[in-house]
Amino acid sequence: DSGVTQTPKHLITATGQRVTLRCSPRSGDLSVYWYQQSLDQGLQFLIQYYNGEERAKGNILERFSAQQFPDLHSELNLSSLELGDSALYFCASSVGQTLTYEQYFGPGTRLTVT
Amino acid sequence: AQSVTQLDSQVPVFEEAPVELRCNYSSSVSVYLFWYVQYPNQGLQLLLKYLSGSTLVKGINGFEAEFNKSQTSFHLRKPSVHISDTAEYFCAVSDMGGAQKLVFGQGTRLTINP
Repeated sequence: DSGVTQTPKHLITATGQRVTLRCSPRSGDLSVYWYQQSLDQGLQFLIQYYNGEERAKGNILERFSAQQFPDLHSELNLSSLELGDSALYFCASSVGQTLTYEQYFGPGTRLTVT
Repeated sequence: AQSVTQLDSQVPVFEEAPVELRCNYSSSVSVYLFWYVQYPNQGLQLLLKYLSGSTLVKGINGFEAEFNKSQTSFHLRKPSVHISDTAEYFCAVSDMGGAQKLVFGQGTRLTINP
């Protein structure tokens, strides 16, 4: 158990819908990272927040957005969903804002878009 | 921009045999290098990382990797594998400066046969 929690574990929704994925970092960690893992694209970095501020942005679509709240939990919002958005979405947390600090990954949310 | 190539998508080995998982990267700047392991239905776990210093890096579970700058490689090795090492292994790279973002390879599925 990494100490990072993600809810829900599974999500099934229809095309065009909007969903919210939630991540609670390990106690004391200030950074949250979001990743997408799909058969087509592999593992991709989406976005990083550090202490409430966006720190780095990767291959995140405009239909996707994220935020980190004052209690440091983070949410990833996916809208106008397409079949190709079906994937495993991981969040990870670390104590610092650079990659020199180890990231701890949650178990993931499996999103299925039908 | 960085890129990572994992040269083998699948590697089958017998238990107690040595294994090497190959990783080559491309970057125009100095990099950090990482190996992660993903057990079935779980998130990623850091095996080891190279930030600077000694080019031979030792990680968890008896794994080690060697950074070779001239060959832009970061191959992962274990002298004797166990059934429990069956998993997917990901090599990842990030540049050292700026907004650091992990770029992952496509993964190598390691299967240990008794």
